[in-house]
Amino acid sequence: RKEVEQDPGPFNVPEGATVAFNCTYSNSASQSFFWYRQDCRKEPKLLMSVYSSGNEDGRFTAQLNRASQYISLLIRDSKLSDSATYLCVSTGGGNKLTFGTGTQLKVEL
Amino acid sequence: EPEVTQTPSHQVTQMGQEVILRCVPISNHLYFYWYRQILGQKVEFLVSFYNNEISEKSEIFDDQFSVERPDGSNFTLKIRSTKLEDSAMYFCASSESRVTDTQYFGPGTRLTVL
Repeated sequence: RKEVEQDPGPFNVPEGATVAFNCTYSNSASQSFFWYRQDCRKEPKLLMSVYSSGNEDGRFTAQLNRASQYISLLIRDSKLSDSATYLCVSTGGGNKLTFGTGTQLKVEL
Repeated sequence: EPEVTQTPSHQVTQMGQEVILRCVPISNHLYFYWYRQILGQKVEFLVSFYNNEISEKSEIFDDQFSVERPDGSNFTLKIRSTKLEDSAMYFCASSESRVTDTQYFGPGTRLTVL
């Protein structure tokens, strides 16, 4: 079983839509969780950390469910500039980041 | 805003040659990392480095790989004898200290082994 599993997509949505991505992780010892964004052939960039209490940053909301080992990302009012691959990431002890394969989002006019 | 830099942006080499990929982490950061991403695949951890020694490495990081911090600013990844399957994007990252600190990634070096 993959350590971090995501639906690869692509998710094609119209501008202004709300879209949700899900991710599951297999290592119950994982300590911290993040969503990174990666544009084509570029480096991953931190979008937001994910907390059990849920956290929001503008149009983005992230949620962690430790009991179900499940992480989500909600994007409201999608913009063309949100088109990218969204990477679900965990740390499982130590400092290494474990990445999912990513979910591709395409926002269209 | 401080950023991680990497050189070169693209390296082409012949199979069996040695390559050195260079990184300049953010200046006050203490933890340094190398990751790689084969085209179309996920980002994979290679190695972490703290206090002038390797703190963790993956199964990918075999005897062909080594890391060094030769001076106060550079952090290098050496691949001793490149294979075709080493072709990938190599990302350097750094973080200030603890595991929960954000890791900032450099723009990457695209390594092509012919």
